[in-house]
Amino acid sequence: QVQLVQSGAEVKKPGSSVKVSCKASGDTFNNFGISWVRRAPGQGLEWLGGIIPIFATINYAQKFQGRVTITTDESTSTAYMDLSSLRSEDTAIYYCTRVLMVSFAMDVWGQGTTVTVSS
Amino acid sequence: QSVLTQPPSVSAAPGQKVTISCSGSSSNIGKNYVSWYQQFPGTAPKLLIYDNNKRPSGIPDRFSGSKSGTSATLGITGLRPGDEADYYCGTWDSSLSVGVFGGGTKLTVL
Repeated sequence: QVQLVQSGAEVKKPGSSVKVSCKASGDTFNNFGISWVRRAPGQGLEWLGGIIPIFATINYAQKFQGRVTITTDESTSTAYMDLSSLRSEDTAIYYCTRVLMVSFAMDVWGQGTTVTVSS
Repeated sequence: QSVLTQPPSVSAAPGQKVTISCSGSSSNIGKNYVSWYQQFPGTAPKLLIYDNNKRPSGIPDRFSGSKSGTSATLGITGLRPGDEADYYCGTWDSSLSVGVFGGGTKLTVL
């Protein structure tokens, strides 16, 4: 049974960057994709981007183009999401998810990482 | 403004049935599988329905999904107070090459 374990909560200043990690246990990234999704206070789920390691393909939501970078380290089965130029509106819970290819169903979710952007 | 459109809220009495709609376009729902997610406050979302109408192991058959054209529907029968949560539809948009979600629907069991 695969589990995704994310790094701990972060408090950041406006204009800085945050890097959240997501380690898979019980499986590897082979044959699956990884997406990053966030939920800001009072808002719904928002897709930031995703990667399919086996095909080395990466897609980002247009809203975050230029600010978000998603990478994976297959040797440690860890995915990373780097978000730069942080502003208060980026305060949210960030989730990594395992994505089934073809169906794009997100069947396994990390526990979430709270990122607070405040001066 | 979400790419997929859901009603902000729905409500029904315990034991009753409720449906939640999700409207999209030919480039997302019209072309790809739809998934549904359930999220309780303070917890990560959980996959409820995938491939339009399939249930992962452990999801009761009170939950069902369907798709027609550019719209999808989540159905929940035999409502329980424990079903009160936020529900989201999601899919891939082939034109934008991005994942998309609905704005979410808050279910209240009266």
